[in-house]
Amino acid sequence: SYVLTQPPSVSVAPGNTASITCGRDNIGSKSVHWYQQRSGQAPVLVMYYDSDRPSGIPERFSGSNSGNTATLTISRVEAGDEADYYCQVWDSGNNHVVFGGGTKLTVL
Amino acid sequence: QVQLQESGPGLVKPSQTLSLTCTVSRVSISGGRYYWSWIRQPAGKGLEWIGRIFTSGSTNYNPSLKSRVTISVDTSKNQFSLNLSSVTAADTAVYYCARGYPFLDYWGQGTLVTVSS
Repeated sequence: SYVLTQPPSVSVAPGNTASITCGRDNIGSKSVHWYQQRSGQAPVLVMYYDSDRPSGIPERFSGSNSGNTATLTISRVEAGDEADYYCQVWDSGNNHVVFGGGTKLTVL
Repeated sequence: QVQLQESGPGLVKPSQTLSLTCTVSRVSISGGRYYWSWIRQPAGKGLEWIGRIFTSGSTNYNPSLKSRVTISVDTSKNQFSLNLSSVTAADTAVYYCARGYPFLDYWGQGTLVTVSS
């Protein structure tokens, strides 16, 4: 099965930069999308096609994808960024959506 | 702004069929080339994609649930629906509907379904 590997947790101090990774062999050949899920809320798309930001998402959010790792980077982290973050790809071989296990971002 | 709203029973007995409906507002479900998906999330766990339906009615399902899942669309009501048969406690989760392919750009708020006798 298609598995995307994310670290369970990432911690960062306010104002610093957080990097959340999503790993799989040759993930760089896929388009990766990212979602933010604050506690008790529905997921929100924060990055699509590796590095495109939806309207309303701050420029502090950026994305990259190369080789075996895709990365969501949040610069100048704020308390409001504390949430679970999920990466997602489309598994064209099996025609289904695959989510990573999620990363809990804690703002210290 | 597209809006999606899940509805259906919050409690389902084991071995029965879970049925949910997603009502779409501010956009015609048949008016564009969109896919419409169901996703679920057990308490404290990650997201699991259940399946999707295209405007034409064609479907794709998560292989792990395929034998129990049916997704259908009712364009006259601007709704799409999920049926999950033979449920067990493991199917207890918040169920979300969402739009899009290959990414999900609009989500419903989610509805909790508990499987219990």
